[in-house]
Amino acid sequence: AQTVTQSQPEMSVQEAETVTLSCTYDTSESDYYLFWYKQPPSRQMILVIRQEAYKQQNATENRFSVNFQKAAKSFSLKISDSQLGDAAMYFCAYRRPATSGTYKYIFGTGTRLKVLA
Amino acid sequence: DGGITQSPKYLFRKEGQNVTLSCEQNLNHDAMYWYRQDPGQGLRLIYYSQIVNDFQKGDIAEGYSVSREKKESFPLTVTSAQKNPTAFYLCASRKVDRAYGYTFGSGTRLTVV
Repeated sequence: AQTVTQSQPEMSVQEAETVTLSCTYDTSESDYYLFWYKQPPSRQMILVIRQEAYKQQNATENRFSVNFQKAAKSFSLKISDSQLGDAAMYFCAYRRPATSGTYKYIFGTGTRLKVLA
Repeated sequence: DGGITQSPKYLFRKEGQNVTLSCEQNLNHDAMYWYRQDPGQGLRLIYYSQIVNDFQKGDIAEGYSVSREKKESFPLTVTSAQKNPTAFYLCASRKVDRAYGYTFGSGTRLTVV
């Protein structure tokens, strides 16, 4: 069974600095998707960034980028120029390929990010 | 604007009672999902439905029931058989022909009193 591990329950970063959140996963499949979701105090989950496993290029969305290491099964999120609005719980998620039929996500336990002014 | 509406935002239940959480979407999404969120455990799938009148159990379906009579609606009933129902419940939806694109609701906090 697939698993997703986020080993950092909480992280802090100074405003305008850079922070990296770690995520590792375990799977025997070669085709899959990885995601980072943000859950602010409103508790609505917001998609931050996604990565297709077949793509070697790391995904980037403005200040957010990932370091995808497929062989190491690692998928870290880097937030540059951190802003107060980045403070939230961040979840790493794995989704099986389309052929699996269920489109079920497997979520990590989350990392709470605090941004210090 | 399109989106997912979950109601109520907060719900209190007495032990032994069934309660129903509402989830409505106007995104014309085919698939809908219910997740439970507990502190330190991430999100766990309760039930999902990919088409009307069909639904499947997720990882923690015991003590829960769902229906999917309309494309827009996917209510979740927490029955008295659920031994530890206090949690945060999130509903999500997705267009089946897209590889990704989950949209989440803003959740319902259920507390047993």
